[in-house]
Amino acid sequence: DAKTTQPNSMESNEEEPVHLPCNHSTISGTDYIHWYRQLPSQGPEYVIHGLTSNVNNRMASLAIAEDRKSSTLILHRATLRDAAVYYCIRGRRGSNYKLTFGKGTLLTVNP
Amino acid sequence: DAGITQSPRHKVTETGTPVTLRCHQTENHRYMYWYRQDPGHGLRLIHYSYGVKDTDKGEVSDGYSVSRSKTEDFLLTLESATSSQTSVYFCATARDRGNTGELFFGEGSRLTVL
Repeated sequence: DAKTTQPNSMESNEEEPVHLPCNHSTISGTDYIHWYRQLPSQGPEYVIHGLTSNVNNRMASLAIAEDRKSSTLILHRATLRDAAVYYCIRGRRGSNYKLTFGKGTLLTVNP
Repeated sequence: DAGITQSPRHKVTETGTPVTLRCHQTENHRYMYWYRQDPGHGLRLIHYSYGVKDTDKGEVSDGYSVSRSKTEDFLLTLESATSSQTSVYFCATARDRGNTGELFFGEGSRLTVL
């Protein structure tokens, strides 16, 4: 099973950076790391994904450890709209893009 | 926006009745998925489809069946609804992008089985 470990909850202040950690110690060499988030009363939405290198997009950055056993999602300046549950997921190659969601990290952003 | 529409968005039904949830997409994505979300469990995959008439089971498929007769529609059927199937159901799609693909989710269908 494609398990990852995340803290249940984290808190941040508005306009400060947020670092959301994820452990995936049993990751295989071809597994991607995906991050999704789910705002209240909505379906999950894609944030970012990566394999080995750090990745950046307009929403966030993804820092992947050299041994790939952990990764960190970085929100550079948290806003109130970033309050959501963040899911870190291992994507297995050749799995028809099936993703196994855990319970994620509930991020609270304080004004 | 991936153009995913779920219907109905809300439904209340009684134990033992059949229920069908519909997922409609306008993106011509090959892959479609049904998840359920319950407090304390996160999202769990029920069934998925990797093409027209090609479907397979997910981790919590008991009590559910699916059909996909055309690319744009993926139906989830509860033959005889039970209270344990009270949940929020999410449909998702993915296009074929090689090793990895982004999932696009619908807004969810809240089902209550009394």
